[in-house]
Amino acid sequence: GENVEQHPSTLSVQEGDSAVIKCTYSDSASNYFPWYKQELGKRPQLIIDIRSNVGEKKDQRIAVTLNKTAKHFSLHITETQPEDSAVYFCAARQGGSYIPTFGRGTSLIVHP
Amino acid sequence: DGGITQSPKYLFRKEGQNVTLSCEQNLNHDAMYWYRQDPGQGLRLIYYSQIVNDFQKGDIAEGYSVSREKKESFPLTVTSAQKNPTAFYLCATDKGGNYGYTFGSGTRLTVV
Repeated sequence: GENVEQHPSTLSVQEGDSAVIKCTYSDSASNYFPWYKQELGKRPQLIIDIRSNVGEKKDQRIAVTLNKTAKHFSLHITETQPEDSAVYFCAARQGGSYIPTFGRGTSLIVHP
Repeated sequence: DGGITQSPKYLFRKEGQNVTLSCEQNLNHDAMYWYRQDPGQGLRLIYYSQIVNDFQKGDIAEGYSVSREKKESFPLTVTSAQKNPTAFYLCATDKGGNYGYTFGSGTRLTVV
């Protein structure tokens, strides 16, 4: 089955810095890679996703990159703000009938 | 809650008691899922259902049961056989095809 590794488990940055969270996956059949943000005590929310036919996707201050050859994908957050503080989960999925495999999460702390 | 309602928000269970967590959706999504989240941990799949009247065990199904009699509803029962049920429980749906999840706001279950 699929295995998703996520690093780091905790990331502490100063406001205005960039943050990068990395995930690796094992199954080359995976073709959909979503990222979720979970604020303390709240539900995870989909913030950005990428499919295997593209290498990069941006949405304002967040971007995701995918390297299919190396089987890794990353979340990039620029100009971080305190409201970016949350736990971020990556996931990999090989199709709609398959259950996604989640990473263990990264706790991002943005210091004002 | 983006079309998914979980209730109650907080639930207290006495030793030896069964409790049922409600998950209702009006998104017309076929697939529904239950995840358990422990402090500082990732998401662990309990049960999922991809169609009415059918459901499958996830990674940690022991001590839990579900039913899927209606498309809109996927209740989770935490039985007395679940020895460590204190956790945050999240219900999720997806619309089919290869897309991300929509999560409910969660139920925090505590054993007293």
